Amino acid sequence: EAGVTQSPTHLIKTRGQQATLRCSPISGHTSVYWYQQALGLGLQFLLWYDEGEERNRGNFPPRFSGRQFPNYSSELNVNALELEDSALYLCASSLYIFPNQAFFGQGTRLTVV
Amino acid sequence: GQQVMQIPQYQHVQEGEDFTTYCNSSTTLSNIQWYKQRPGGHPVFLIQLVKSGEVKKQKRLTFQFGEAKKNSSLHITATQTTDVGTYFCAGQNTGNQFYFGTGTSLTVIP
Repeated sequence: EAGVTQSPTHLIKTRGQQATLRCSPISGHTSVYWYQQALGLGLQFLLWYDEGEERNRGNFPPRFSGRQFPNYSSELNVNALELEDSALYLCASSLYIFPNQAFFGQGTRLTVV
Repeated sequence: GQQVMQIPQYQHVQEGEDFTTYCNSSTTLSNIQWYKQRPGGHPVFLIQLVKSGEVKKQKRLTFQFGEAKKNSSLHITATQTTDVGTYFCAGQNTGNQFYFGTGTSLTVIP
């Protein structure tokens, strides 16, 4: 069974551009979580989607947005990129049935220059 | 808002020494999970604790959930170089939201 897959693996953008990151959850999982992991920092919660709806968002500005598609895959969009947006962006999926563990993808390394 | 704090942030130990990381939540949790992230890798699930006062063991790793379900600990006995990585706790609330601790980075000196 395929795990959580993220694309691209690496992404280099210039300041002010937009970045789009993609995530495919494990088959059958309806919840997708996005986290930002900046160098030396822990996992900062960004967004949680379930059944196509945004359920919760972390303390990030509105230029961080996303969506979940009918097949439960998800996109994270970061507009007006800033240098400090450089980080590893991790996607995780879980069954909505509570409680349950989250399975993580390998992440997208975003570098803003 | 809900917060999960983890200490220490960094820990260097000699191979063979024990290691403990502690996780504290500002609110009562429904369950707590532990993840390990190797350098350059992604978090990998280790274990989940659900019951108050629960203790689980995985070989040299001992996981504990506090009686009030607001704190947890991970103890590694006789560390090995393969234990190197960052250990995260993640508290889950009734809303199926995960709040990760800041992580403890473990370095094992051979």
